[in-house]
Amino acid sequence: ETGVTQTPRHLVMGMTNKKSLKCEQHLGHNAMYWYKQSAKKPLELMFVYSLEERVENNSVPSRFSPECPNSSHLFLHLHTLQPEDSALYLCASSQDGQGLPYEQYFGPGTRLTVT
Amino acid sequence: GENVEQHPSTLSVQEGDSAVIKCTYSDSASNYFPWYKQELGKRPQLIIDIRSNVGEKKDQRIAVTLNKTAKHFSLHITETQPEDSAVYFCAASKGSNYQLIWGAGTKLIIKP
Repeated sequence: ETGVTQTPRHLVMGMTNKKSLKCEQHLGHNAMYWYKQSAKKPLELMFVYSLEERVENNSVPSRFSPECPNSSHLFLHLHTLQPEDSALYLCASSQDGQGLPYEQYFGPGTRLTVT
Repeated sequence: GENVEQHPSTLSVQEGDSAVIKCTYSDSASNYFPWYKQELGKRPQLIIDIRSNVGEKKDQRIAVTLNKTAKHFSLHITETQPEDSAVYFCAASKGSNYQLIWGAGTKLIIKP
């Protein structure tokens, strides 16, 4: 796959586990996003990084911890999750400039199941 | 805060007919309205967007209309085809991608 890639594609974890989701973009974008997608609900923006600095948090529980080491990579570290955290986690990237919205390119997602 | 409502949640149309999906938003400062399509098991992809300085935009069989006074915008798909079957999401923003508020999605089913 090209564009935006995510690993793993599927993850099953217990509530006491620690795991990380990885996202990589090959589009030369300077902004990256984590979204949570649950059935029949709007996409929930979790975190935004622009030029490697976190811009938006949106009051996400501390059991989700993002990391953006450079403009091409984004991680979501997970620990002590709850069953209601089971969802599809989508990564996206876009060009960011002067407050104007640009097309977001999404990855294929990680299907997370918390048992 | 901003709220985006999308209707209907499910739409079933005969192949070849037209489909219309409507979204309303609450923040009059919103000025950017994209539509994303998500096919089953695939990632969302932008199909068309409109900014508040225009009332309508077309791209082949799809079009988006915007009524800023009424604070609603609609996606129109003409001559529907099986490959149009997907979930469609609308969104609204008043500035940047950080401020995009998404609708809950419409599942479009094209009946052969």
